Amino acid sequence: DQQVKQNSPSLSVQEGRISILNCDYTNSMFDYFLWYKKYPAEGPTFLISISSIKDKNEDGRFTVFLNKSAKHLSLHIVPSQPGDSAVYFCAASEGVSYGGSQGNLIFGKGTKLSVKP
Amino acid sequence: DTEVTQTPKHLVMGMTNKKSLKCEQHMGHRAMYWYKQKAKKPPELMFVYSYEKLSINESVPSRFSPECPNSSLLNLHLHALQPEDSALYLCASSRPGHHEQYFGPGTRLTVT
Repeated sequence: DQQVKQNSPSLSVQEGRISILNCDYTNSMFDYFLWYKKYPAEGPTFLISISSIKDKNEDGRFTVFLNKSAKHLSLHIVPSQPGDSAVYFCAASEGVSYGGSQGNLIFGKGTKLSVKP
Repeated sequence: DTEVTQTPKHLVMGMTNKKSLKCEQHMGHRAMYWYKQKAKKPPELMFVYSYEKLSINESVPSRFSPECPNSSLLNLHLHALQPEDSALYLCASSRPGHHEQYFGPGTRLTVT
C-alpha cells in the first residue's frame, strides 16, 4: 500500500505561470516532508523541505505548503521556468536520531513537470 | 565539496559475475544509503549505514552485500544477480539527525 501518493503523473505549464504539484500521504507518523527534482540519468536533487510543526516553507521561487489535517502537501513554483522541467518526487520521513538510526525516506511515484516557453 | 560521487556510471554484468559499486562523499555526513530505482518508479531503500554500522536492511537478497569501510565510502558488492536486478542504483548521504538526503548520480546496472 502506497504511503505517499502523487496522483498526477504529469503536469504541463506555460513559462512564467505557477506550477502546483500535489502530494498526499497516509501515515500520520510522518513528521518531515521533502521535495526532490530529478533530471533523466541523474540522481534526485534536494529542493525544499518542511517539518510537520510548520504549514509553510519558502525558498526563492519554491514554496511548500503542508495541511496536516488533510494529510496533503503541495509544491508551488512561481514563476515557472523551462529549466524547471523535470520529475518531481515528494518524500516523507518519520523520525531521525542523532545517536544512531536515520530516518527512511518514502517516495511518491513522481510528477513529470513540463514548462513550455 | 558538496557532492556525492558514484562509480561506475554504467555497468553491464553477467549473472555469474562479481562486481562492486562505489560511493564517496566528503561532506562529513555520517549516514549513507543505498537505493534501487526501476524505470518509472520511485527510489526504494535497500540499506542504511549510520556511523559506519549497518542500521537498516530492507530485506534485500544476500546477492547484494553492502560495506562501509570508513565514514566517506560506501560499497555495494554484487554477486550472482538476476536480470530483474537491472536498475539505477543510487547512493545518498545525510548529516546525523537530519532528514535531508543528498544523492549521487547513480550507477545504471544491466544484468544479462
